[in-house]
Amino acid sequence: QVQLVQSGAEVEKPGASVKVSCRVSGYSLSKLSMHWVRQSPGKGLEWLGGFDPEDRETIYAQKFQGRVTMTEDTSTDTVYIELSSLRSEDTAVYYCVIWEGSEDAITLVRGVQTGGYNWFDPWGQGTLVNVSS
Amino acid sequence: EIVMTQSPATLSVSPGERATLSCRASQSVGNNVAWYQQKPGQAPRLLIWGAFTRAPGIPARFSGSGSGTEFTLTISSLQSEDFAVYYCQWGVSFGPGTKVDIK
Repeated sequence: QVQLVQSGAEVEKPGASVKVSCRVSGYSLSKLSMHWVRQSPGKGLEWLGGFDPEDRETIYAQKFQGRVTMTEDTSTDTVYIELSSLRSEDTAVYYCVIWEGSEDAITLVRGVQTGGYNWFDPWGQGTLVNVSS
Repeated sequence: EIVMTQSPATLSVSPGERATLSCRASQSVGNNVAWYQQKPGQAPRLLIWGAFTRAPGIPARFSGSGSGTEFTLTISSLQSEDFAVYYCQWGVSFGPGTKVDIK
């Protein structure tokens, strides 16, 4: 059974960067489509981006282009998300999640539905990032 | 961009009663909708994928239906542990959630 364990809470000042990690156990990271979703306090779920292992391509939500970087280290089965130029609105719980299903993340985000399915499962426990001066 | 909406925002239900939650997509998404349950301080948990397929370990009182643009999550007889927020999802888009609380 795949499990995702994330790094601990972070407190950062506006303008700084933060890097959150997510370690995968129970399956090979190289075969997984890892994504990141965040949740601002009292708010809903917002997708930041993800990695497609077949295309070896990372895709980011347009809102975060230029500020977010997702990387992986297959030697430790760990994925990372780094968000730069932090502002108070970035205060949120950040979750790593696995994209499952037959729909390809890259083509779906680019607007092409192929009639398949996708869902996010499992989720990491979440990492609180608090941006405060 | 496909936008997911949910109604109602809050649903007050008594234990043992049926709860019906709605999710609408701004354009057709076939059967590609998933549902999640989230309790305070916890990560979301997958309940349903493909509009009606229950995830492993999910009780039979949870059922999903719909296709195209209209989807429904039904909880047939609410248990105390079912009071939570429920989200629908298509692709990378999530609905704003429906909070099910105790009447």
